[in-house]
Amino acid sequence: AQTVTQSQPEMSVQEAETVTLSCTYDTSENNYYLFWYKQPPSRQMILVIRQEAYKQQNATENRFSVNFQKAAKSFSLKISDSQLGDTAMYFCACNAGGTSYGKLTFGQGTILTVHP
Amino acid sequence: KAGVTQTPRYLIKTRGQQVTLSCSPISGHRSVSWYQQTPGQGLQFLFEYFSETQRNKGNFPGRFSGRQFSNSRSEMNVSTLELGDSALYLCASSFSQGFQETQYFGPGTRLLVL
Repeated sequence: AQTVTQSQPEMSVQEAETVTLSCTYDTSENNYYLFWYKQPPSRQMILVIRQEAYKQQNATENRFSVNFQKAAKSFSLKISDSQLGDTAMYFCACNAGGTSYGKLTFGQGTILTVHP
Repeated sequence: KAGVTQTPRYLIKTRGQQVTLSCSPISGHRSVSWYQQTPGQGLQFLFEYFSETQRNKGNFPGRFSGRQFSNSRSEMNVSTLELGDSALYLCASSFSQGFQETQYFGPGTRLLVL
């Protein structure tokens, strides 16, 4: 079984600044994938970025990057040049191997507000 | 490619009734997973279907069931509705059931039980 913990219920940032959202996870599997999803007020879950556990290189997607620390089981999301459209709930999620077919385990989410 | 679609988008039911929600995956995707989202419990995994077979199930009572058709479309059914079943139900599709697959979500069905 895996667990995902997001310790920051809410965060805020000024437009154009940088913010980092934290996530820790626990799994006994050696192979797993980690994801960040965002859920804006429309409630549509949108993939932000994903990271394969066996890759040491941190994933990057435009203004979004992760800091993946496998030994510490930490997977934080950095948003650079924050935009008003980044305002959303952000979820960290894990999909581990074994018998976890099609199962994402989510953290409790972090509400991010970008202020103009 | 069209995204994941869910119908209906909103639903109001009364306690004791049953409800069926539908999910059409992205074309070519064969795995469909269902999640329940509530303010108190967050996002919880219900079950996953691949090639018309339930491959994984979360910790929900037997009132929650689902199925998948040969075209990969999936339905979930909740019988004998309870107030606590009020939630946003999300389905997600992926190409296969492997843990390396990215899941793409539909817009959700918001269920209110009165």
